[in-house]
Amino acid sequence: AIQLTQSPSSLSASVGDRVTITCRASQGISSALAWYQQKPGKAPKVLIYDASSLERGVPSRFSGSGSGTDFTLTISSLQPEDFATYYCQQFNSYPYTFGQGTKLEIK
Amino acid sequence: QVQLQESGPGLVKPSETLSLTCSVSGYSISSGYYWGWIRQPPGKGLEWIGSIYHSGSTYYNPSLKSRVTISVDTSKNQFSLKLSSVTAADTAVYYCARDQNRVDYWGQGTLVTVSS
Repeated sequence: AIQLTQSPSSLSASVGDRVTITCRASQGISSALAWYQQKPGKAPKVLIYDASSLERGVPSRFSGSGSGTDFTLTISSLQPEDFATYYCQQFNSYPYTFGQGTKLEIK
Repeated sequence: QVQLQESGPGLVKPSETLSLTCSVSGYSISSGYYWGWIRQPPGKGLEWIGSIYHSGSTYYNPSLKSRVTISVDTSKNQFSLKLSSVTAADTAVYYCARDQNRVDYWGQGTLVTVSS
Protein backbone atom coordinates (compact mmCIF):
# COMPACT_ATOMS: atom_id res chain seq x y z
CA ALA A 1 0.00 0.00 0.00
CA ILE A 2 1.11 3.56 -0.68
CA GLN A 3 2.03 5.40 2.51
CA LEU A 4 1.34 9.10 2.89
CA THR A 5 3.39 11.08 5.42
CA GLN A 6 2.18 14.52 6.42
CA SER A 7 4.31 17.18 8.03
CA PRO A 8 4.10 18.72 10.43
CA SER A 9 1.81 16.58 12.61
CA SER A 10 0.72 19.71 14.43
CA LEU A 11 1.10 23.39 13.83
CA SER A 12 0.35 26.56 15.77
CA ALA A 13 -0.41 29.68 13.79
CA SER A 14 -2.20 33.02 14.04
CA VAL A 15 -5.10 34.50 12.14
CA GLY A 16 -3.74 36.04 8.95
CA ASP A 17 -0.71 33.74 8.73
CA ARG A 18 0.23 31.84 5.59
CA VAL A 19 0.41 28.12 6.33
CA THR A 20 1.77 25.20 4.32
CA ILE A 21 1.20 21.51 5.02
CA THR A 22 3.18 18.83 3.18
CA CYS A 23 2.15 15.32 2.12
CA ARG A 24 4.78 12.91 0.82
CA ALA A 25 3.86 9.63 -0.90
CA SER A 26 6.00 6.49 -0.62
CA GLN A 27 5.80 6.09 -4.41
CA GLY A 28 4.63 8.23 -7.30
CA ILE A 29 0.89 8.90 -7.45
CA SER A 30 0.77 11.36 -10.37
CA SER A 31 -1.73 14.04 -9.31
CA ALA A 32 -4.20 11.68 -7.65
CA LEU A 33 -4.34 13.44 -4.30
CA ALA A 34 -7.10 15.13 -2.31
CA TRP A 35 -7.00 17.31 0.78
CA TYR A 36 -9.66 17.39 3.50
CA GLN A 37 -10.49 19.56 6.49
CA GLN A 38 -12.07 17.95 9.55
CA LYS A 39 -13.53 19.70 12.57
CA PRO A 40 -14.32 17.88 15.85
CA GLY A 41 -17.39 15.67 15.65
CA LYS A 42 -17.85 16.29 11.93
CA ALA A 43 -17.18 14.38 8.74
CA PRO A 44 -14.22 15.58 6.70
CA LYS A 45 -14.83 18.11 3.94
CA VAL A 46 -12.94 18.00 0.66
CA LEU A 47 -10.93 21.13 -0.16
CA ILE A 48 -8.69 20.13 -3.08
CA TYR A 49 -8.76 17.23 -5.54
CA ASP A 50 -6.45 16.12 -8.35
CA ALA A 51 -3.69 17.79 -6.31
CA SER A 52 -4.56 21.36 -7.30
CA SER A 53 -8.26 21.64 -8.24
CA LEU A 54 -10.32 23.67 -5.80
CA GLU A 55 -13.57 21.97 -4.80
CA ARG A 56 -16.64 24.06 -5.60
CA GLY A 57 -17.60 26.33 -2.72
CA VAL A 58 -14.19 26.22 -1.03
CA PRO A 59 -12.60 29.63 -0.40
CA SER A 60 -9.79 30.60 -2.74
CA ARG A 61 -7.35 31.07 0.16
CA PHE A 62 -6.92 27.28 -0.03
CA SER A 63 -4.62 25.97 -2.76
CA GLY A 64 -2.84 22.74 -3.56
CA SER A 65 0.21 21.89 -5.60
CA GLY A 66 2.52 19.03 -6.43
CA SER A 67 2.71 15.82 -8.40
CA GLY A 68 4.54 12.54 -8.16
CA THR A 69 5.50 12.13 -4.51
CA ASP A 70 5.47 15.62 -2.99
CA PHE A 71 2.38 17.73 -2.40
CA THR A 72 1.47 20.84 -0.47
CA LEU A 73 -1.69 22.44 0.86
CA THR A 74 -1.41 26.18 1.40
CA ILE A 75 -3.76 28.48 3.26
CA SER A 76 -2.84 32.00 2.18
CA SER A 77 -4.35 33.91 5.11
CA LEU A 78 -5.67 31.91 8.04
CA GLN A 79 -9.19 32.62 9.19
CA PRO A 80 -10.64 31.62 12.59
CA GLU A 81 -12.75 28.88 10.97
CA ASP A 82 -9.64 27.23 9.46
CA PHE A 83 -8.41 25.82 12.74
CA ALA A 84 -9.02 22.11 12.25
CA THR A 85 -7.26 18.88 11.30
CA TYR A 86 -6.19 18.38 7.69
CA TYR A 87 -5.73 15.07 5.86
CA CYS A 88 -4.39 14.09 2.46
CA GLN A 89 -5.65 11.00 0.59
CA GLN A 90 -4.27 9.29 -2.50
CA PHE A 91 -6.50 7.92 -5.27
CA ASN A 92 -3.76 6.53 -7.49
CA SER A 93 -4.15 2.91 -6.45
CA TYR A 94 -6.08 0.74 -4.03
CA PRO A 95 -6.16 0.81 -1.07
CA TYR A 96 -6.91 4.53 -1.01
CA THR A 97 -4.72 5.60 1.90
CA PHE A 98 -4.80 8.72 4.10
CA GLY A 99 -2.04 10.70 5.69
CA GLN A 100 -1.93 10.69 9.48
CA GLY A 101 -3.32 14.23 9.74
CA THR A 102 -2.05 17.69 10.64
CA LYS A 103 -3.71 19.51 13.53
CA LEU A 104 -3.75 23.26 13.02
CA GLU A 105 -4.13 25.14 16.29
CA ILE A 106 -4.44 28.76 17.27
CA LYS A 107 -1.24 30.36 18.54
CA GLN B 1 -28.41 17.57 -3.05
CA VAL B 2 -26.74 14.22 -2.47
CA GLN B 3 -27.15 12.92 1.06
CA LEU B 4 -25.86 9.77 2.73
CA GLN B 5 -27.06 8.33 6.01
CA GLU B 6 -25.58 5.42 7.95
CA SER B 7 -27.73 3.10 10.02
CA GLY B 8 -27.05 0.08 12.17
CA PRO B 9 -26.28 -1.05 15.73
CA GLY B 10 -24.08 1.19 17.82
CA LEU B 11 -22.86 -1.69 19.98
CA VAL B 12 -21.46 -5.01 18.76
CA LYS B 13 -20.05 -7.84 20.87
CA PRO B 14 -16.51 -9.12 20.29
CA SER B 15 -16.27 -11.90 17.68
CA GLU B 16 -19.61 -10.93 16.16
CA THR B 17 -20.31 -9.21 12.82
CA LEU B 18 -20.70 -5.46 12.45
CA SER B 19 -23.39 -4.56 9.92
CA LEU B 20 -24.10 -1.06 8.62
CA THR B 21 -26.24 0.28 5.80
CA CYS B 22 -25.88 3.55 3.93
CA SER B 23 -28.99 5.07 2.39
CA VAL B 24 -28.37 7.47 -0.47
CA SER B 25 -30.77 10.24 -1.52
CA GLY B 26 -30.50 12.85 -4.24
CA TYR B 27 -28.51 10.59 -6.55
CA SER B 28 -29.07 7.16 -8.01
CA ILE B 29 -26.29 4.70 -7.18
CA SER B 30 -26.98 3.09 -10.57
CA SER B 31 -25.89 6.30 -12.31
CA GLY B 32 -22.24 5.79 -11.41
CA TYR B 33 -19.48 6.58 -8.93
CA TYR B 34 -17.91 4.33 -6.38
CA TRP B 35 -19.50 4.13 -2.94
CA GLY B 36 -17.37 3.31 0.04
CA TRP B 37 -16.75 3.06 3.75
CA ILE B 38 -14.16 4.90 5.83
CA ARG B 39 -13.63 4.63 9.57
CA GLN B 40 -11.99 6.70 12.28
CA PRO B 41 -11.13 5.28 15.72
CA PRO B 42 -11.74 7.76 18.54
CA GLY B 43 -9.04 10.42 18.54
CA LYS B 44 -7.22 8.87 15.57
CA GLY B 45 -6.92 9.25 11.82
CA LEU B 46 -8.96 8.04 8.86
CA GLU B 47 -8.82 4.52 7.42
CA TRP B 48 -10.28 3.58 4.04
CA ILE B 49 -12.15 0.27 4.31
CA GLY B 50 -13.34 -0.37 0.75
CA SER B 51 -15.55 0.68 -2.16
CA ILE B 52 -18.16 -0.77 -4.48
CA TYR B 53 -19.41 0.20 -7.93
CA HIS B 54 -23.09 -0.12 -8.84
CA SER B 55 -22.20 -3.16 -10.95
CA GLY B 56 -20.95 -4.86 -7.81
CA SER B 57 -17.20 -4.54 -8.41
CA THR B 58 -15.46 -4.19 -5.07
CA TYR B 59 -12.10 -3.07 -3.73
CA TYR B 60 -11.08 -3.71 -0.14
CA ASN B 61 -8.27 -2.63 2.13
CA PRO B 62 -5.95 -5.66 2.35
CA SER B 63 -5.59 -5.07 6.08
CA LEU B 64 -9.30 -5.91 6.48
CA LYS B 65 -10.02 -7.89 3.34
CA SER B 66 -10.51 -11.27 4.98
CA ARG B 67 -13.24 -9.82 7.24
CA VAL B 68 -14.99 -7.26 5.01
CA THR B 69 -17.89 -7.51 2.62
CA ILE B 70 -19.44 -4.51 0.88
CA SER B 71 -22.63 -5.00 -1.13
CA VAL B 72 -25.05 -2.80 -3.04
CA ASP B 73 -28.83 -2.84 -3.43
CA THR B 74 -29.66 -0.52 -6.32
CA SER B 75 -33.40 -1.11 -5.90
CA LYS B 76 -33.22 0.51 -2.47
CA ASN B 77 -30.41 2.93 -3.40
CA GLN B 78 -28.38 1.57 -0.51
CA PHE B 79 -25.04 -0.08 0.07
CA SER B 80 -23.87 -2.04 3.08
CA LEU B 81 -20.82 -3.00 5.12
CA LYS B 82 -20.24 -6.24 6.99
CA LEU B 83 -17.15 -6.67 9.15
CA SER B 84 -16.79 -10.05 10.80
CA SER B 85 -14.96 -11.24 13.91
CA VAL B 86 -14.77 -7.76 15.41
CA THR B 87 -12.52 -6.80 18.31
CA ALA B 88 -12.14 -3.65 20.39
CA ALA B 89 -9.75 -2.37 17.71
CA ASP B 90 -12.74 -2.06 15.35
CA THR B 91 -14.38 0.54 17.61
CA ALA B 92 -14.66 3.64 15.43
CA VAL B 93 -16.89 6.17 13.75
CA TYR B 94 -17.88 4.60 10.45
CA TYR B 95 -18.59 6.90 7.51
CA CYS B 96 -20.21 5.99 4.23
CA ALA B 97 -19.07 8.06 1.29
CA ARG B 98 -19.14 8.65 -2.43
CA ASP B 99 -15.63 8.35 -3.77
CA GLN B 100 -13.91 8.54 -7.11
CA ASN B 101 -11.05 11.06 -7.33
CA ARG B 102 -12.08 12.49 -3.97
CA VAL B 103 -14.75 11.86 -1.37
CA ASP B 104 -17.20 14.62 -2.17
CA TYR B 105 -20.13 13.39 -0.12
CA TRP B 106 -19.96 11.86 3.35
CA GLY B 107 -22.51 10.49 5.76
CA GLN B 108 -22.59 12.10 9.19
CA GLY B 109 -20.84 9.05 10.65
CA THR B 110 -22.00 6.49 13.17
CA LEU B 111 -20.05 5.37 16.24
CA VAL B 112 -19.80 1.61 16.58
CA THR B 113 -18.44 0.33 19.86
CA VAL B 114 -17.21 -3.24 20.22
CA SER B 115 -17.74 -4.38 23.77
CA SER B 116 -19.30 -7.22 25.69
